[in-house]
Amino acid sequence: EPEVTQTPSHQVTQMGQEVILRCVPISNHLYFYWYRQILGQKVEFLVSFYNNEISEKSEIFDDQFSVERPDGSNFTLKIRSTKLEDSAMYFCASGAAYGYTFGSGTRLTVV
Amino acid sequence: GIQVEQSPPDLILQEGANSTLRCNFSDSVNNLQWFHQNPWGQLINLFYIPSGTKQNGRLSATTVATERYSLLYISSSQTTDSGVYFCAVERGSDKLVFGAGTILRVKS
Repeated sequence: EPEVTQTPSHQVTQMGQEVILRCVPISNHLYFYWYRQILGQKVEFLVSFYNNEISEKSEIFDDQFSVERPDGSNFTLKIRSTKLEDSAMYFCASGAAYGYTFGSGTRLTVV
Repeated sequence: GIQVEQSPPDLILQEGANSTLRCNFSDSVNNLQWFHQNPWGQLINLFYIPSGTKQNGRLSATTVATERYSLLYISSSQTTDSGVYFCAVERGSDKLVFGAGTILRVKS
């Protein structure tokens, strides 16, 4: 079964540092997403990406966040200046007509 | 926006027991999925079920779209079924809205 691959699985960073989370979506999917889950809370939508541009973003997705598809396979989420409250599990997903497939997540810890 | 409510919030079962998890949503949807979040945090897609009934082994799901609810059935539960079960829906726009989840603990 096709998978969405995320790297790294766990990242620890110092407050104020930039981090880049990477994802390889399913190859024939056209819609890509980032979601976030703070420990013990529900999964929240961050941003959707279609045709090389953002199609929708949530209130959480402020100026410190950006997404990019630097080549034909990778999809990245950049957090420019991390804060303690950015500590969470970040999920990449790709979508098709029959639903969404999520990656295994990157657990980001900001210290 | 659309609201998703899951019940019960917590469930403790003895191994071998059956259970039913419920998901209510506040408006019509074009997509509904059930996910299992395992102890490592991974979100495993169980069912894509905007309407009708599906079965996969010991798990089955039913969505009654006209009445805005979905049910996930787990039969003969095993300790590996433990984790959090999320219902997520999509209405119109291309994003999923998640419920708060049901925490399931299966005891041996």
